[in-house]
This record gives sequence, C-alpha cells and structure tokens, in this order.
Amino acid sequence: GENVEQHPSTLSVQEGDSAVIKCTYSDSASNYFPWYKQELGKRPQLIIDIRSNVGEKKDQRIAVTLNKTAKHFSLHITETQPEDSAVYFCAASPHTGANSKLTFGKGITLSVRP
Amino acid sequence: GAVVSQHPSWVICKSGTSVKIECRSLDFQATTMFWYRQFPKQSLMLMATSNEGSKATYEQGVEKDKFLINHASLTLSTLTVTSAHPEDSSFYICSARNPPGGGDTQYFGPGTRLTVL
Repeated sequence: GENVEQHPSTLSVQEGDSAVIKCTYSDSASNYFPWYKQELGKRPQLIIDIRSNVGEKKDQRIAVTLNKTAKHFSLHITETQPEDSAVYFCAASPHTGANSKLTFGKGITLSVRP
Repeated sequence: GAVVSQHPSWVICKSGTSVKIECRSLDFQATTMFWYRQFPKQSLMLMATSNEGSKATYEQGVEKDKFLINHASLTLSTLTVTSAHPEDSSFYICSARNPPGGGDTQYFGPGTRLTVL
C-alpha cells in the first residue's frame, strides 16, 4: 500500500518568513495530493490540493509543488503569520473512484514566532 | 458549502457500554464517508470506508464487530463503538466525499472525543 513520509516533525519560523514542508510517497499510481491544516482539538481543514496532471498550484500565500519523478510534494507558505501555527498533514490517494482512500503523513507542527 | 457535522462532540461512558457517533453531510450527498481515529499528537488513522447502501470496508486490524458502521442514507453514516473499553478512548473523525465538483476531496467533521472510564 501507499506510504507517506513527512519530515521534519516540527518547524519553527519567524513571522514573515517562508515555511516549506515536504512529503514523499511510495506509490507511483497516486494522483491526488491534499494538504490539511489542523488546529488543536479541531477538524482537519483542506487548505490546498494538487493532482498529478499539474506540477504547481498556488492560492494566495499558499502553494504546492509536485515532482512525480521523485515522488515528493511540498507545501510552501509565504509571509507566515502567527495564525498559521498548526499541525499540517499531507496525504496521497493512489487512485480515483468510489473506493479510493487517503493515506496521511504523520504531520508537522508549524510554529510561527511573532 | 461542503459542511460535515458530527454528533456528539464529546462523550464520556462507562466501560462495557456502547456509544453511537453520527456523521452528517449537511449540504451535499456523500456517496462515500470515512471514519478515522486520532490519538493525541498523532496522525489520522483510517478505520473504515463507508459507501451508502453497502457494507463498510474495514482497514486491517480494525475489528468490524466492535466498530459497527452504518451508512443508511447519502447524508448520514454512524459509527457504534460496542462494549467500549478505556483503550477505545480517542478522537474519532469522519469525512465525507462527493460534493458537487469536489471529486476526490474529503471534508472532515469536527470530531468526537470519546472517553471511556
């Protein structure tokens, strides 16, 4: 099955700096890669996703890049703010359809220092 | 759009009792719902995939007789933890898929914190 690795487990940045979070996956058949943000005790919120037919997607301060050859994808947050502090999970789905399911990475705790 | 609710948001029960958790898609019909379990400071672990009108597909290591899943309509799935024990204490989160134009996107409910005494 799919295996998603996420490193490091924690990341601390100064407010205003950029943060980059990287994930790798093992199944070359994976074609859908979402990123979720989860604040303590709350639900995971989808912040951006990318499909394997594109290499990059951007939404305001957030961007995701995908390298299918190397099987890794990254989340980029620019101009970080304290409210960006949360746990971020990457995930991969090996195929579309009714029975496709997400495999999550272990998560990274991002701390933005004011 | 794409709102998913869960009820209850938290529950405390005695060991040996059963607890039912509801997951509802409020503004779309969800052909597929997923149930996850999350321990403190850990990732989301998929327990089962639930398709409306059919039996749930459980992940390896998840006891189907202990975690009963029913997906009776396109907007409601339920998870019943039977004969709960302290080790079942966890944060249970559902997600739903298939909002209009949503494709593979899963939208999560707010979670249910279960504490078994």
